[in-house]
Amino acid sequence: EAEVAQSPRYKITEKSQAVAFWCDPISGHATLYWYRQILGQGPELLVQFQDESVVDDSQLPKDRFSAERLKGVDSTLKIQPAELGDSAMYLCASSGLAGGHWSYNEQFFGPGTRLTVL
Amino acid sequence: AQSVTQLDSHVSVSEGTPVLLRCNYSSSYSPSLFWYVQHPNKGLQLLLKYTSAATLVKGINGFEAEFKKSETSFHLTKPSAHMSDAAEYFCVVSQSTGNQFYFGTGTSLTVIP
Repeated sequence: EAEVAQSPRYKITEKSQAVAFWCDPISGHATLYWYRQILGQGPELLVQFQDESVVDDSQLPKDRFSAERLKGVDSTLKIQPAELGDSAMYLCASSGLAGGHWSYNEQFFGPGTRLTVL
Repeated sequence: AQSVTQLDSHVSVSEGTPVLLRCNYSSSYSPSLFWYVQHPNKGLQLLLKYTSAATLVKGINGFEAEFKKSETSFHLTKPSAHMSDAAEYFCVVSQSTGNQFYFGTGTSLTVIP
């Protein structure tokens, strides 16, 4: 079964350092999402891509966060410099039409990257 | 506009007793509705989905949910809780063919032995 891949699974870094996360969506999925999930809270959308274009980055802290999906396939999320408050789970998801005759969009999640900033 | 309200932030049940996790939605369009489960330090796993077919939806691990348009609800149920059901549960709504998904704030389920 096709899956969303993320790496690394865990990352520990010191504040002011740069970190990068990678996501490979399910093949053929045009929409890719990055979420941040702080412990005890629900996922918060950081950025949404449609192919290689950003369609929503209203919640992305653009002074330190950047995201790209250059060829409309895999994506990288970067934080520079990392701050203590960035410690969280970073989830990647992709969506595409499913359901055959009656199509609907369904979102599939990767295993996440757990970031700890010391 | 679309949104989801999960009515309970925490639910505690005894092992072997029924589980009820409540979700109400708001949607201007024909919605798709999803329940996801998240165990500690894991990603989100799809439990079940409603996509305008049968209103009673059966999912994995014995969970099911019923879409009630008149009540704008999509509550998650399970007849008998198992210790392994202890986790965080998220209700999500989207427009059927849309690619924006709206999350509830989550319900933490505790199962007491």
